[in-house]
Amino acid sequence: DGGITQSPKYLFRKEGQNVTLSCEQNLNHDAMYWYRQDPGQGLRLIYYSQIVNDFQKGDIAEGYSVSREKKESFPLTVTSAQKNPTAFYLCASATRLGYTGELFFGEGSRLTVL
Amino acid sequence: GENVEQHPSTLSVQEGDSAVIKCTYSDSASNYFPWYKQELGKGSQLIIDIRSNVGEKKDQRIAVTLNKTAKHFSLHITETQPEDSAVYFCAASIAGNQFYFGTGTSLTVIP
Repeated sequence: DGGITQSPKYLFRKEGQNVTLSCEQNLNHDAMYWYRQDPGQGLRLIYYSQIVNDFQKGDIAEGYSVSREKKESFPLTVTSAQKNPTAFYLCASATRLGYTGELFFGEGSRLTVL
Repeated sequence: GENVEQHPSTLSVQEGDSAVIKCTYSDSASNYFPWYKQELGKGSQLIIDIRSNVGEKKDQRIAVTLNKTAKHFSLHITETQPEDSAVYFCAASIAGNQFYFGTGTSLTVIP
């Protein structure tokens, strides 16, 4: 079955540590996105990519980094520079950027900084 | 950039009643408006969407209406069932290039 897989589902991190969240899709989608979800704030865009080796900052990119070395994979690194990293992170993909159709979401990764 | 507001943040209805969730957007260039249902352990899934050249769309118990002049769109769920309990997000997009989401509505259907 095609879909998006995020891992891990739960992650705990000590302050000052970097952590990488995995996102893999087998839908042959060109566009991939990372969103952050906080209570009362909806989903906010961190980074997006429309093609391999290309990615763009979203509205809240500070303290995060991404890579897109393969079409199927779009990992997100939460660096120690992110001031408030505790949140629920959602990865999504779409056929292509500019496609007015469904975004497919993973089940999310919940990061807690201790 | 686009700003999407969503109300209410929580909604409780009796099973069989209707539920309405409203969203407003700020950028008149937005032309695609999807609604997503988020359930624990199931991720988020598109339940209905509407494009700016249409005023209303219906799919069984779910309908969406769009008022471009007022820049608002609404989700209507009729004959609610316990399995409709979830968090619902609206979004606005300019031609699918970026999606701006509302803050979510937690719907509880009371049996």
